[in-house]
Parts: sequence; C-alpha cells; structure tokens
Amino acid sequence: DAGVTQSPTHLIKTRGQQVTLRCSPISGHKSVSWYQQVLGQGPQFIFQYYEKEERGRGNFPDRFSARQFPNYSSELNVNALLLGDSALYLCASSPRAGTGVENTFGSGTRLTVV
Amino acid sequence: GQNIDQPTEMTATEGAIVQINCTYQTSGFNGLFWYQQHAGEAPTFLSYNVLDGLEEKGRFSSFLSRSKGYSYLLLKELQMKDSASYLCAGMPGAGSYQLTFGKGTKLSVIP
Repeated sequence: DAGVTQSPTHLIKTRGQQVTLRCSPISGHKSVSWYQQVLGQGPQFIFQYYEKEERGRGNFPDRFSARQFPNYSSELNVNALLLGDSALYLCASSPRAGTGVENTFGSGTRLTVV
Repeated sequence: GQNIDQPTEMTATEGAIVQINCTYQTSGFNGLFWYQQHAGEAPTFLSYNVLDGLEEKGRFSSFLSRSKGYSYLLLKELQMKDSASYLCAGMPGAGSYQLTFGKGTKLSVIP
C-alpha cells in the first residue's frame, strides 16, 4: 500500500511568489494535517482537515491556507512568500480526527525561498 | 503556549543504552508521543504514552510521569542506524488535534 505521498519533493521559489503543495493520504484515511519544520526545529502544526472541513489551525498568518478535496487529498497554499517560509512541509494522514497515535507522515516537500 | 523541552544533542556508543528526556507543562497534554526522524526523511512513530509508567517495545521503551510533566525514551543495544533526531510531541485533550513538538534531540551513535 502506498503511504502518504507529497509533491513536489523539492521546490525553489522567489520572495513574493505563491506556492501550492500537495498531499495524498493513505487510502481510507480521512484526516490530513500539515506541519512546517524549519531546519533544526521540530515540526510546527499549521492545519488539520477532516472530512473536507478545517478542524484546527496553528499560529500561522493568513498567507497560509489549505483545503481538502472529496478524495481526501489536500493542498497547502502559501502566498507572498518570505525567506522565513523556507522549510520542510510535512503532511500527515490518519483515519479519523484526533487520532494522533495513527498519524503517518509523508516525506515532505522541501521549500526554499530565495 | 505549551512548551516541550528536550536536549539538543546527545552522543552514545554502539551497543550502549541511552535515555532521552523530555519535559513539559503538566497541564498541557493528554498524551505524549515519541517520533524518530532520520535526516531528510519523515518522522516515524515510535511510542505513545497516555498513562503513567513504562511502555516497552523491543529495544525502545518510553516512560511518562504526568504529575511531573516528564517523559523519557530509552534506547537499548544501540545500533549505528539509531543515529537520528528523536522528537517528543504532546497531544492536547479532546477537541484539539494538533501535535506540539519539541525541537528534537539529535542522537549520534559512535563505534
């Protein structure tokens, strides 16, 4: 079975641009969470979606937005990119909301903003 | 906010035992997780404690004391492949779904 897949794996963008990151959860998983991991730090929670509804939002500016599609895949959008947005963006899926013990992470998208 | 603290780096010898500590605010979390993350890879789930005490899973064990806001991950019979970052993460109670991670402890296993 395929795990959590994220695309692209690496991305380079210029300050001020917009970026869209994609995540496909494990088959049967209905919850997707997004985390930002800056080099040398632990992942920081951005969003959680369950059944296409936002169920949690971390302390990130409105430049960050996300959505979940009927097939439970998800996109994370970041507008007006800043140098500080350079990070590894991780997606995690789980069968249900609030089941951290069943979270499975994808390998992430490495975003570099120059 | 709910802070989670863990040492930045540790070094241990192959075949030895190492304990990685994690402390947090006692009123913060409903459960505590440990993840392993090799450089450039996804975090992988190691253990989850929701009750006080020791959970053993092969070479890895995790301990939780909720009253003290303290957890540790114990790795026995260290292998070179155990060189990785170990992340402690707390999950708040019902109604909140986010994991709050510590900064991670980079473990280097040397021959």
